[in-house]
Amino acid sequence: KAGVTQTPRYLIKTRGQQVTLSCSPISGHRSVSWYQQTPGQGLQFLFEYFSETQRNKGNFPGRFSGRQFSNSRSEMNVSTLELGDSALYLCASSSTGVSNEKLFFGSGTQLSVL
Amino acid sequence: GEDVEQSLFLSVREGDSSVINCTYTDSSSTYLYWYKQEPGAGLQLLTYIFSNMDMKQDQRLTVLLNKKDKHLSLRIADTQTGDSAIYFCAESITGGYNKLIFGAGTRLAVHP
Repeated sequence: KAGVTQTPRYLIKTRGQQVTLSCSPISGHRSVSWYQQTPGQGLQFLFEYFSETQRNKGNFPGRFSGRQFSNSRSEMNVSTLELGDSALYLCASSSTGVSNEKLFFGSGTQLSVL
Repeated sequence: GEDVEQSLFLSVREGDSSVINCTYTDSSSTYLYWYKQEPGAGLQLLTYIFSNMDMKQDQRLTVLLNKKDKHLSLRIADTQTGDSAIYFCAESITGGYNKLIFGAGTRLAVHP
């Protein structure tokens, strides 16, 4: 069974641009979550989607948004990029997103903002 | 509030046991997790424990939970160089829909 797949693996953007990251969950998983990992702030929860609906959102500005498609694949978008958005963005999937489930992570997209 | 704390660094000799400690604050936590991250990689789920359990053993890994003190530990027996990585403790929040609160991570260095 294929794991969580994130594309692209690396991205370089400049300030003010926008970026879209993609995540394909494990087959059969319907919950997709996104996390940001930085050396300063560590791992922080961005949002979670299930059946194309956002059910939970972390404390990030509105420049960070996401969506989920009917096949459970998810994208996240960051608009008007800032230097501080440079981070490893991790996607995770689980069956339904309830708290007793195992959460499986992808390898991440490393975003560098210049 | 939600907070998870870990010591930042641990160095052990190959073949010894490693013990990584973690404290958490949210008493409504349902599950507590240990993840491993190797350089340039995502997070690998190592093990997890339900909040009403005291201990869980899985091959070389032993998780101990002291719910009264909100203290979690991960013991790795017979530590190998391949165990060198960053280990994250995380708690799940009831009704949080996969919102995990992570500690800062403990960097484990295994030397010969």
